[in-house]
Amino acid sequence: QQQVKQSPQSLIVQKGGISIINCAYENTAFDYFPWYQQFPGKGPALLIAIRPDVSEKKEGRFTISFNKSAKQFSLHIMDSQPGDSATYFCAASMQGNTPLVFGKGTRLSVIA
Amino acid sequence: NAGVTQTPKFQVLKTGQSMTLQCAQDMNHEYMSWYRQDPGMGLRLIHYSVGAGITDQGEVPNGYNVSRSTTEDFPLRLLSAAPSQTSVYFCASRLIYEQYFGPGTRLTVT
Repeated sequence: QQQVKQSPQSLIVQKGGISIINCAYENTAFDYFPWYQQFPGKGPALLIAIRPDVSEKKEGRFTISFNKSAKQFSLHIMDSQPGDSATYFCAASMQGNTPLVFGKGTRLSVIA
Repeated sequence: NAGVTQTPKFQVLKTGQSMTLQCAQDMNHEYMSWYRQDPGMGLRLIHYSVGAGITDQGEVPNGYNVSRSTTEDFPLRLLSAAPSQTSVYFCASRLIYEQYFGPGTRLTVT
């Protein structure tokens, strides 16, 4: 009930291509869905987040698509660059002081 | 604003030794938490706190103690280190929904 399932585990994308990472959740009480980006040797950094009242949120080359009925959300990275190579985590949380639930992460490599 | 700070950055312990990983935040966040990160295991929650004097267990609490005497600080204590506690430890603080992580402490237990 509390899990967030993330796929794929790893992803290799050509420079300029689109990177897509998917997450699925079960608990319909979740109402906040952030994505975190982590570079080697650093802590995860909040990248972009969405609430379930919208189906898409875009910030620069990063877009979250949200499908409430399917209980799925995804991160799209347009025009992927080598500097986007990192591990990406999706997460979900609900109102109140409950912990974020994280997916297991996706290691993205963007090759030239 | 320094955000979330953690000390030390690196630490090597011998089995059975004790130590405290320090975490501090200057954003006046009530919610703080500790995670460990191991290859292929993602981020696993150890303990969390919703405010001074209040702590609760996460997914992997065994072998770790916490206390929260102030809003700013949330130290993590290893009373008797074991090789299985070799990991990277992240502290985080949160305001309502947005959670911010510290830079991490890489701990090796030999």
